[in-house]
Amino acid sequence: DSGVTQTPKHLITATGQRVTLRCSPRSGDLSVYWYQQSLDQGLQFLIQYYNGEERAKGNILERFSAQQFPDLHSELNLSSLELGDSALYFCASSVWTGETDTQYFGPGTRLTVL
Amino acid sequence: EDQVTQSPEALRLQEGESSSLNCSYTVSGLRGLFWYRQDPGKGPEFLFTLYSAGEEKEKERLKATLTKKESFLHITAPKPEDSATYLCAVRGNYGQNFVFGPGTRLSVLP
Repeated sequence: DSGVTQTPKHLITATGQRVTLRCSPRSGDLSVYWYQQSLDQGLQFLIQYYNGEERAKGNILERFSAQQFPDLHSELNLSSLELGDSALYFCASSVWTGETDTQYFGPGTRLTVL
Repeated sequence: EDQVTQSPEALRLQEGESSSLNCSYTVSGLRGLFWYRQDPGKGPEFLFTLYSAGEEKEKERLKATLTKKESFLHITAPKPEDSATYLCAVRGNYGQNFVFGPGTRLSVLP
């Protein structure tokens, strides 16, 4: 158990809908990262937040947005969903180890868009 | 732009048959190279962080090594429970995000 929690575990919805995925980082971790992993695809970085502020953006679609709240939990909002958005969505939080920061991943949310 | 490639794409071993997985990278100033293990449908599980060329780290049957251009994950006498996808990632000095490789899918047959 990495200490990172994600809810829900599974989400089934229809095209055009909007969903929210939630992530709670490890205690003390200030950074939260979101990744998308489609079937047989590698981990695609979406966005990073550090202590409530957006720090870095990857290949995140305009239909997707995220935020990090004062208690450090984060939410990823996906709107106008398309079939191609079906994927595993992972959240990771990181801790500074003195030389670099190591990411610890949550169990993921499996999104199915029908 | 930071890049990571991994080889082979897939590897089948008999139980007890040792082998190595390769991770080649290009990065502007390495701040860390990371190895993860991922089981199907699960989140990646952290294995190792390596910082500088020549560094080695071990955990049970796994040993990770690092040079200036690549890293190897050596698996000694693997067991079926070592079957998983092994991911390599790098963090550079100038990038805010981690760059992951496509992974090596390892199957260990009893």
